[in-house]
Amino acid sequence: AQTVTQSQPEMSVQEAETVTLSCTYDTSESDYYLFWYKQPPSRQMILVIRQEAYKQQNATENRFSVNFQKAAKSFSLKISDSQLGDAAMYFCAYRGNAGNMLTFGGGTRLMVKP
Amino acid sequence: ETGVTQTPRHLVMGMTNKKSLKCEQHLGHNAMYWYKQSAKKPLELMFVYSLEERVENNSVPSRFSPECPNSSHLFLHLHTLQPEDSALYLCASSQELGRGLAGVVSTDTQYFGPGTRLTVL
Repeated sequence: AQTVTQSQPEMSVQEAETVTLSCTYDTSESDYYLFWYKQPPSRQMILVIRQEAYKQQNATENRFSVNFQKAAKSFSLKISDSQLGDAAMYFCAYRGNAGNMLTFGGGTRLMVKP
Repeated sequence: ETGVTQTPRHLVMGMTNKKSLKCEQHLGHNAMYWYKQSAKKPLELMFVYSLEERVENNSVPSRFSPECPNSSHLFLHLHTLQPEDSALYLCASSQELGRGLAGVVSTDTQYFGPGTRLTVL
């Protein structure tokens, strides 16, 4: 079974600075998808970024980028120029290539200091 | 707004009540999901429907009964719940990509609704 681990329960960053959230996963599959979701206090789960395992290039969405290390089974999220609105729980998630189930990590609470 | 709505947003019920949670998606997707999010636990997948057929059922107690009348609507019927069922219930939708060996359903990225905060007294 796949597992997803987020080893940082809480992180804090100064506004306008950069922060990196860690995620590792365990799988025996070669094709899969990885996701970062953001859950602000409103509890709405919002997709931040997605990475296909077969792509070597790291995904980027504006201020959000990932460092995908397939051999190390690592998938970290980098947030640049942090904003107050980035404060939220961030969840890393895994989905196999031929499947529909998302496996989530335990989440990292990000606090942004003004 | 992600195109997935849930009602009610908050629900308080007694253990003997019967209530239903509703989810509606406006994204043209054909797969829908129910998740449970409890404090200090990872999100747990409860049910998956694709093309209105239940394709996953993760050992959920029978006091939770899903219903998918069409590809845009998903319900979760609740009866005789326990206090430990208090949680945030999240609905999601996605597009089915295909069916592989043994009928395994493959789906695309999931988009979530805002959730229903359920409290069981």
